Amino acid sequence: AQSVTQLGSHVSVSEGALVLLRCNYSSSVPPYLFWYVQYPNQGLQLLLKYTTGATLVKGINGFEAEFKKSETSFHLTKPSAHMSDAAEYFCAVRNGGGATNKLIFGTGTLLAVQP
Amino acid sequence: EPEVTQTPSHQVTQMGQEVILRCVPISNHLYFYWYRQILGQKVEFLVSFYNNEISEKSEIFDDQFSVERPDGSNFTLKIRSTKLEDSAMYFCASSGGTGRGEQYFGPGTRLTVT
Repeated sequence: AQSVTQLGSHVSVSEGALVLLRCNYSSSVPPYLFWYVQYPNQGLQLLLKYTTGATLVKGINGFEAEFKKSETSFHLTKPSAHMSDAAEYFCAVRNGGGATNKLIFGTGTLLAVQP
Repeated sequence: EPEVTQTPSHQVTQMGQEVILRCVPISNHLYFYWYRQILGQKVEFLVSFYNNEISEKSEIFDDQFSVERPDGSNFTLKIRSTKLEDSAMYFCASSGGTGRGEQYFGPGTRLTVT
């Protein structure tokens, strides 16, 4: 079975500060890992994904995440927060072995950016 | 840029009524999904659909739920007899290729059961 834990349901940062959103996963098979962002009244948009290969992955809007197998983590970072980054962020895991395509989501982290 | 669309954006229905939520996936995609998000909770997988049949479903997806691709463009989720606990945001998603790639999500339909 697979699961995702996102620490911190609400995170607040100042504009220009580092953004760090935490995600830990549990998986008995090689995972595919994803970060999605949801702006108010919109659908889920893929920020970045890890499947295989390079463990540091870069996504849209200046975000990146590093897959750390030893820590079972896939934390999302951005060096400098912008007001437009305020949204809800979801980490998700999927079976990398091909048995299923379903995404398993964490509970989400609501990011607030203070001026 | 192609996108997944969903209608209606908000549906209010009475308990026991049937509802149909509609989705238009990206045109060349062959894999389709429904997820739901109860207010304040995580996004949960409901069902995946490929080649005109369900490929996987969760325990939430009981006999009250059904999916259909009635024509070449629409993908629908039907709830036969709605319950209060069906109130949620329902997201449709689609993916192309072998289905292993990115899932593109629609904006969601907020279903309110009274």
